[in-house]
Amino acid sequence: SQQGEEDPQALSIQEGENATMNCSYKTSINNLQWYRQNSGRGLVHLILIRSNEREKHSGRLRVTLDTSKKSSSLLITASRAADTASYFCATDALGGSNYKLTFGKGTLLTVNP
Amino acid sequence: DSGVTQTPKHLITATGQRVTLRCSPRSGDLSVYWYQQSLDQGLQFLIQYYNGEERAKGNILERFSAQQFPDLHSELNLSSLELGDSALYFCASSPGRLSRGEQFFGPGTRLTVL
Repeated sequence: SQQGEEDPQALSIQEGENATMNCSYKTSINNLQWYRQNSGRGLVHLILIRSNEREKHSGRLRVTLDTSKKSSSLLITASRAADTASYFCATDALGGSNYKLTFGKGTLLTVNP
Repeated sequence: DSGVTQTPKHLITATGQRVTLRCSPRSGDLSVYWYQQSLDQGLQFLIQYYNGEERAKGNILERFSAQQFPDLHSELNLSSLELGDSALYFCASSPGRLSRGEQFFGPGTRLTVL
């Protein structure tokens, strides 16, 4: 099963509004990343937050991480139509010899002009 | 542009056939990762190569195989294709051998099996 699960599956907002997406995961992690994917195209890395960090900012993006709840949120402020895309969280489980990123199924964000 | 290239962009083939997908990583990156993305399974990690050696394995079927060549490009071979193999196949690369950091994704190959 997926390590990360995004919530909601789909989100539709108006331009200028803020968008919040959540991610929950199951096992302890080294770090958590958020990626963006425009329809049918490759994923683009947005931000990485380490397990010992609680909050991180990058431009209009704000990511929080709560390791006690095994959850993260991605906030996009002042959204634009160009932000329309799918957003995925990805985790790299702590320990073990089989290092791999595990992606959730994503949140489809639609920003209406 | 991530710097990762994949060919071909689209591939249409029939059940039972074999295809090869090709990936060139970003300049200087030693790790190559292959992923399969489908509507029902989402984005699934298949396999990772680091500097020519297999590093990690995910949900890769026995009908699938991959390799990384001395010039660091990688190929994913899919054989005895089934309808369910229709998906987007992504290659990603990163500088080091651990997958913990940012990965740079190619544009993908869309495989359609008829």
